[in-house]
Amino acid sequence: GIQVEQSPPDLILQEGANSTLRCNFSDSVNNLQWFHQNPWGQLINLFYIPSGTKQNGRLSATTVATERYSLLYISSSQTTDSGVYFCAVATAGGYNKLIFGAGTRLAVHP
Amino acid sequence: NAGVTQTPKFQVLKTGQSMTLQCAQDMNHNSMYWYRQDPGMGLRLIYYSASEGTTDKGEVPNGYNVSRLNKREFSLRLESAAPSQTSVYFCASRGDSGYTFGSGTRLTVV
Repeated sequence: GIQVEQSPPDLILQEGANSTLRCNFSDSVNNLQWFHQNPWGQLINLFYIPSGTKQNGRLSATTVATERYSLLYISSSQTTDSGVYFCAVATAGGYNKLIFGAGTRLAVHP
Repeated sequence: NAGVTQTPKFQVLKTGQSMTLQCAQDMNHNSMYWYRQDPGMGLRLIYYSASEGTTDKGEVPNGYNVSRLNKREFSLRLESAAPSQTSVYFCASRGDSGYTFGSGTRLTVV
């Protein structure tokens, strides 16, 4: 099945810093989403981005489908950005079942 | 607010007890999914339902059963709970803009 690799596994930032999270996947996808799991365990959908670039406030994401990777950019990080960021992908051949990467654990310190 | 609603939020079971986790969505989505999340890991698919009246096994179906009661509701049943089923369970539905997840059920089996 499709493999999803996220890097880095852990990231520590000072408030105000910028960061880039990466997601590599091993096959063509028709769905790619970035989620933020906050310290209370909620999974928040950040972006639905099977291709192209999107921005939402301080966050933006780019997916280059032909090269099988996606990037999540966090600018001017805040302590509320702390948590785990998951990349998840789905392929049409698998009934669009979402397969998750292992996540990037982000800690933003004041 | 439109979304995915899961009940209960927390549950403690004794080994061998049974219970049903409830999930309902009001977005008129055809596809619904049950995932589990164990510490330090991403989400793994238990069962899914591509449409009303159909269900299929995911990566980790052993020890679980599901029912797609109607288009809105998709329940997960543990017939005889085991400590290995201690986990956080997430229900999700899928629409044109990707997956939406419920807030999760934290289940402990003692």
